[in-house]
Amino acid sequence: AQRVTQPEKLLSVFKGAPVELKCNYSYSGSPELFWYVQYSRQRLQLLLRHISRESIKGFTADLNKGETSFHLKKPFAQEEDSAMYYCALATGGTSYGKLTFGQGTILTVHP
Amino acid sequence: SAVISQKPSRDICQRGTSLTIQCQVDSQVTMMFWYRQQPGQSLTLIATANQGSEATYESGFVIDKFPISRPNLTFSTLTVSNMSPEDSSIYLCSGRQGVDEKLFFGSGTQLSVL
Repeated sequence: AQRVTQPEKLLSVFKGAPVELKCNYSYSGSPELFWYVQYSRQRLQLLLRHISRESIKGFTADLNKGETSFHLKKPFAQEEDSAMYYCALATGGTSYGKLTFGQGTILTVHP
Repeated sequence: SAVISQKPSRDICQRGTSLTIQCQVDSQVTMMFWYRQQPGQSLTLIATANQGSEATYESGFVIDKFPISRPNLTFSTLTVSNMSPEDSSIYLCSGRQGVDEKLFFGSGTQLSVL
């Protein structure tokens, strides 16, 4: 069975510092990975997905199949980045949308 | 982008009763899903809501406890039946749409069972 692990429940950084939110997965097939974000009092929304290789709000994430990781990075954190971040794995194909979520990491960016 | 309206946003219910949660999408979606987030835990998929047919449930979830309907491509309901305090969770619906098959989420229903 697939699994997603986010080892850090809480992560605090200062504004302007680099930030990395860790995500590791286990899945025997070809993974499709996502990062979702939930800002305070807002709904869960897609931040980025690995197949699109895009950068959203300065965040990037690279799929490393050797290390089975999909860490989220931003070189200079902003206060508005404070939120809950979830890494998620889809089994793909017609099952897309059936996501396995990690436990989530609460990111706090201090001024 | 599709917008999913979910209601109620929260409810406090008595043990043994049932609650139906509704999700309305403002445009057609190919698939709809229901998730649960228990306190302090991550989101867990309950089932895939199939339009015009029975939902497909994940391991650990059964139709008698979580009956789901999806009469058309924009609407679905999840009922939490015969509730117990262990059912206290946030329930989320989601929909898949678009050429790039993005997944959208409702705002969630915070359920507390006394």
